[in-house]
Amino acid sequence: QLVVTQSPSASASLGASVKLTCTLSSRHSNYAISWHQQQSNKGPRYLMKVNSDGSHNKGDGIPDRFSGSSSGADRYLIISSLQSEDEADYYCQTWATGIRVFGRGTRLTVL
Amino acid sequence: QVQLVESGGGLVKPGGSLTLSCVVSGFTLSDYYITWIRQAPGKGLEWVSYSTNTGNKNYADSVKGRFTISRDNSKNSVLLQMNSLRVEDTAVYYCARDSVSISLDFWGQGTLVTVSS
Repeated sequence: QLVVTQSPSASASLGASVKLTCTLSSRHSNYAISWHQQQSNKGPRYLMKVNSDGSHNKGDGIPDRFSGSSSGADRYLIISSLQSEDEADYYCQTWATGIRVFGRGTRLTVL
Repeated sequence: QVQLVESGGGLVKPGGSLTLSCVVSGFTLSDYYITWIRQAPGKGLEWVSYSTNTGNKNYADSVKGRFTISRDNSKNSVLLQMNSLRVEDTAVYYCARDSVSISLDFWGQGTLVTVSS
């Protein structure tokens, strides 16, 4: 079964960096994922696709502070120089023929 | 620029029906999949259905047999017909652009569906 798992919460200080993790089910460790950001009371916004080799394709207008990487079944979203507007829910999502799958989201708090 | 605009949400009684519309612009609909995603109040994102550019349709188990997705490429629109609605279908419904290579790279603003007696 295709599953992506995220930690429910994370926190980091203003100006610091944070690394959010999305873990694919073991049989699907070579799949790509998408990261989406949802700020409070707003719709989701696509951030980037992260491939198994760590390459990533960012969406339009996504700042350079956002980057992605991979290790095994883990896909990462790295946010550097944290700003207050980065406080949001972050969802990872993957796909296969016939299905799209979301993680439960990580709520990021900027201290 | 790429835009997706949902409409058709509202208040409906349990067992009722509603049809949501997603009108797209800034890209050629026939080149892309379109996916519907919903978010219940205070909850996470849940995949509902997607339509491929070749006409294939897929549904989450929670809506299979009750929801139907369709598209009209000439009108740049994708519809989600929702029948036998349940209280647990209450959510904001989003449509998003999709493809085999990059999934959900542009989202609409959402439309609220409330199922309540």
